[in-house]
Amino acid sequence: DTGVSQDPRHKITKRGQNVTFRCDPISEHNRLYWYRQTLGQGPEFLTYFQNEAQLEKSRLLSDRFSAERPKGSFSTLEIQRTEQGDSAMYLCASSLIGQANTEAFFGQGTRLTVV
Amino acid sequence: AQSVTQLDSQVPVFEEAPVELRCNYSSSVSVYLFWYVQYPNQGLQLLLKYLSGSTLVESINGFEAEFNKSQTSFHLRKPSVHISDTAEYFCAVSDSGNKLTFGGGTRVLVKP
Repeated sequence: DTGVSQDPRHKITKRGQNVTFRCDPISEHNRLYWYRQTLGQGPEFLTYFQNEAQLEKSRLLSDRFSAERPKGSFSTLEIQRTEQGDSAMYLCASSLIGQANTEAFFGQGTRLTVV
Repeated sequence: AQSVTQLDSQVPVFEEAPVELRCNYSSSVSVYLFWYVQYPNQGLQLLLKYLSGSTLVESINGFEAEFNKSQTSFHLRKPSVHISDTAEYFCAVSDSGNKLTFGGGTRVLVKP
């Protein structure tokens, strides 16, 4: 299967610890997005990359959050000093820019629980 | 700024009955509209999209949605639901930049 893959699928961490998630997009896709989804809510945009450049960050992305896409392929999302409010599903999506609003393909997400 | 309102958080429906999920949006620019479906513990899957052209769009599994610019709506319908349609459905809008703004979701529970 060559879809978007995210690792890990589940993460339980203690408050104050750092966590890092990985996203591997569809190989030819040059745009990569991160979203956060809390229980009972729709996904909220966090940030996106075009190739290795981070083009936009939401105000939801506090200083404790950092995302990278070093070689324009996979991406990582790090949360430092986790808080209970960070508990959510973190979704990654990718798309191919250059075509009029092509579909964004989503991974299955990483569910983070901060205890 | 864009926003999406899904008017029903939960819709119970009997199998083989019709269902309509309502979606209204606001945007200062032209938008593209999407419906995504999310099954339990899964990511989002695109159900259908409106980019331009015919205002009525259809999916391969019997859903359809109609873009109404004057009412800023993009309601989703299916004439006869199946148990397997039990899922959460999200309406989303995007400007040309591909970033999606989602509604709060509508949970559809199909009862036998």
